[in-house]
Amino acid sequence: AQKITQTQPGMFVQEKEAVTLDCTYDTSDQSYGLFWYKQPSSGEMIFLIYQGSYDEQNATEGRYSLNFQKARKSANLVISASQLGDSAMYFCAMREAYTGGGNKLTFGTGTQLKVEL
Amino acid sequence: NAGVTQTPKFRVLKTGQSMTLLCAQDMNHEYMYWYRQDPGMGLRLIHYSVGEGTTAKGEVPDGYNVSRLKKQNFLLGLESAAPSQTSVYFCASSYGRGENTEAFFGQGTRLTVV
Repeated sequence: AQKITQTQPGMFVQEKEAVTLDCTYDTSDQSYGLFWYKQPSSGEMIFLIYQGSYDEQNATEGRYSLNFQKARKSANLVISASQLGDSAMYFCAMREAYTGGGNKLTFGTGTQLKVEL
Repeated sequence: NAGVTQTPKFRVLKTGQSMTLLCAQDMNHEYMYWYRQDPGMGLRLIHYSVGEGTTAKGEVPDGYNVSRLKKQNFLLGLESAAPSQTSVYFCASSYGRGENTEAFFGQGTRLTVV
């Protein structure tokens, strides 16, 4: 069974600083995908970044980057130059190997990030 | 673009009542999903559908039923609501092809069962 672990229930970061949100995963699949979603206080789920298990380079999307360490089974999200609007809950998720079930995502319990002045 | 739309946004039910949550997507996605979100537990998959007329159970299907009669709609039913079903429900959809296909989420439905 797949499992996603986010060990940081809450994190604080100063505005303009970088922050790393931890995510470790457990799977026996060779092919899998890792996602990060942001959930602001308004409740919607916003896709941030994706990393495939066969991707050799770490994914980047603007101020977001994914530090993918396959041997350690970790997929940490790095947010550079934090902004007040980054305050939100962040979820790490893993997709099962594509077997016709599409994106059956397994989610971690989330990390609540608060950006301070 | 509407994306994924959930109806209703809020609902209060009495124990034993029934209701249906509607999810509609306008992106021609093959796959649709229902998740529930509870404090400290992240999102858990209830049921999903890989195409019109097909449904399958997810991680926590008990107490729920679903139907996908039209490609764009995915309905989640509670036949006899229980307080344990108090939660925020999210519908999502995605393309079926490609490994990096993200799931697009609706805005959520906050359900309280008293």
